[in-house]
Amino acid sequence: GDSVTQMEGPVTLSEEAFLTINCTYTATGYPSLFWYVQYPGEGLQLLLKATKADDKGSNKGFEATYRKETTSFHLEKGSVQVSDSAVYFCALTPYNTDKLIFGTGTRLQVFP
Amino acid sequence: GAGVSQTPSNKVTEKGKYVELRCDPISGHTALYWYRQSLGQGPEFLIYFQGTGAADDSGLPNDRFFAVRPEGSVSTLKIQRTERGDSAVYLCASSPSGVGETQYFGPGTRLLVL
Repeated sequence: GDSVTQMEGPVTLSEEAFLTINCTYTATGYPSLFWYVQYPGEGLQLLLKATKADDKGSNKGFEATYRKETTSFHLEKGSVQVSDSAVYFCALTPYNTDKLIFGTGTRLQVFP
Repeated sequence: GAGVSQTPSNKVTEKGKYVELRCDPISGHTALYWYRQSLGQGPEFLIYFQGTGAADDSGLPNDRFFAVRPEGSVSTLKIQRTERGDSAVYLCASSPSGVGETQYFGPGTRLLVL
């Protein structure tokens, strides 16, 4: 069945460092891809999404590109801040369905 | 405006008891979803409502789990004969009308079965 694999955390970075969180997926057809973020004490929030191959989702300085050839959707940010500390979830919705399938999450810790 | 709300925020129960978890979606959202998140895992899909009807209940783990949405707004997730393995955070999400739209998540109900 469809699934998402993302790198295990925690990822620990200093402020202003470059961030990459890897995400790969397995799906039939053409899924939509998402990154959700969960800040401490808050609910899941959509960070960005891409609905077709080569689309780039971006928000708050984060970017991810839908790569069908490598079945990947890696999350990147050029310069992280302490306020980016959170758990990041990669997810997909299989083609023409609405249920989100999540990865296990990656905790990011940014220190000043 | 108000987001998705869930009550209670925490629920402690004993093995074998019945529990109900409530979700109030964003006003006007016709699509409503339930997910379950175990410790250290990502959320797992349980059930999806479009209006009053369950459009997809393929994620419900067994017949102890049941959900309703009788008026197309508030939904209740019901768990009978709870087991310790049911301990998790139960998340509710809603979206304006379904496929292809952003799902907005509530804060979750943390269920602990002793």
